[in-house]
Amino acid sequence: SYELTQPPSVSVSPGQTARITCSGDALPKKYAYWYQQKSGQAPVLVIYEDSKRPSGIPERFSGSSSGTMATLTISGAQVEDEADYYCYSTDSSGNLWVFGGGTKLTVL
Amino acid sequence: EVQLVESGGGLVQPGGSLRLSCAASGFTFSSYWMHWVRQAPGKGLVWVSRINSDGSSTSYADSVKGRFTISRDNAKNTLYLQMNSLRAEDTAVYYCARDSTVTPFDYWGQGTLVTVSS
Repeated sequence: SYELTQPPSVSVSPGQTARITCSGDALPKKYAYWYQQKSGQAPVLVIYEDSKRPSGIPERFSGSSSGTMATLTISGAQVEDEADYYCYSTDSSGNLWVFGGGTKLTVL
Repeated sequence: EVQLVESGGGLVQPGGSLRLSCAASGFTFSSYWMHWVRQAPGKGLVWVSRINSDGSSTSYADSVKGRFTISRDNAKNTLYLQMNSLRAEDTAVYYCARDSTVTPFDYWGQGTLVTVSS
């Protein structure tokens, strides 16, 4: 099996920078992806291939990856960014699709 | 506009079966891999299964292997998940999601709730 580990929660004040980490042994070789899920809604892709932002995602969302850790950064977090965030990647063989356990971001 | 609409969820007894469907529109369904992802109440996302574009290759999470079968009908633009020998721990919202390779899970359906209970 393969696991991606995220902190259960992160809390920041509006305007501060929020950083959410995701650790996994295969991340040096595999891309990380990040999804935002607001309460009662389906997830939305916010970062793909470690650091790329889909169209329509605000510039305050950025991603990076180094070694076995990927990081989602929200610069100047807004109240509307409050959500659960999930990282996703595959194992080294590319045959196991895995989500991290999720991180609840609180902005208040 | 890309749309994915799941259906087929409901209440089923332990040991029972259910077939979920995901109707796709707004894109060339036959060109994309597709996935099922589930989320138990109050819990995180869990990948369940995937199928390649022509249906010739499938993969499953260990927790459902041998009980669930993913399939697709490209002529009907529909993805399926046949769920047999259901257990209480299979209770979850089941989402179908599109995989564009570069951007996996780039579109999701609204989900369908499966409740396994006596």
